[in-house]
Amino acid sequence: AQSVTQLDSHVSVSEGTPVLLRCNYSSSYSPSLFWYVQHPNKGLQLLLKYTSAATLVKGINGFEAEFKKSETSFHLTKPSAHMSDAAEYFCVVSRGNGQNFVFGPGTRLSVLP
Amino acid sequence: DAGVIQSPRHEVTEMGQEVTLRCKPISGHDYLFWYRQTMMRGLELLIYFNNNVPIDDSGMPEDRFSAKMPNASFSTLKIQPSEPRDSAVYFCASSLAGGQNTEAFFGQGTRLTVV
Repeated sequence: AQSVTQLDSHVSVSEGTPVLLRCNYSSSYSPSLFWYVQHPNKGLQLLLKYTSAATLVKGINGFEAEFKKSETSFHLTKPSAHMSDAAEYFCVVSRGNGQNFVFGPGTRLSVLP
Repeated sequence: DAGVIQSPRHEVTEMGQEVTLRCKPISGHDYLFWYRQTMMRGLELLIYFNNNVPIDDSGMPEDRFSAKMPNASFSTLKIQPSEPRDSAVYFCASSLAGGQNTEAFFGQGTRLTVV
């Protein structure tokens, strides 16, 4: 069985400050992990993915995430927030076979001017 | 490829009417998923197909919901009869089996309002 916990339902940061969105997962298998972003009234766009290669994964728009097996975590970070980063972010775990995507509840990121 | 294409983008219908949502997955993808997104329940997996065959429909809320995939390039999600509580955004997604590129690609969604 697989599950995802996103520890914060809402994170608020000031523009130009770092972003940290937390994700912990549970999986009986060696997982594939993803972060998706959803801007208001839009579809879901892949930010980055971990598929058992490098543990530090770089994504689009300056985001990156680090896979830590010992902590069962895959936190998303960005050094400097931009107003356009305001969106909903979903952490997703999969068995890595193209199916069984399990979504976390999402974290809403607000960026203050 | 144009990505996953869903139609219509918006649908407003009256309670009791039949609603059909459509999806064209990315060519060559093996899996197709239907999700529902609401404020209360977040993203829920309704059903998914592998090579046009339904694999898991345990997320379909009740018999009013049905989904088909008659060929590799088309799927429908039907609600009959529709109810106001079915109002949500419905997403279709597709993915490849195996390899490194196994993420799900999402369509833009269909916003359904049942009045």
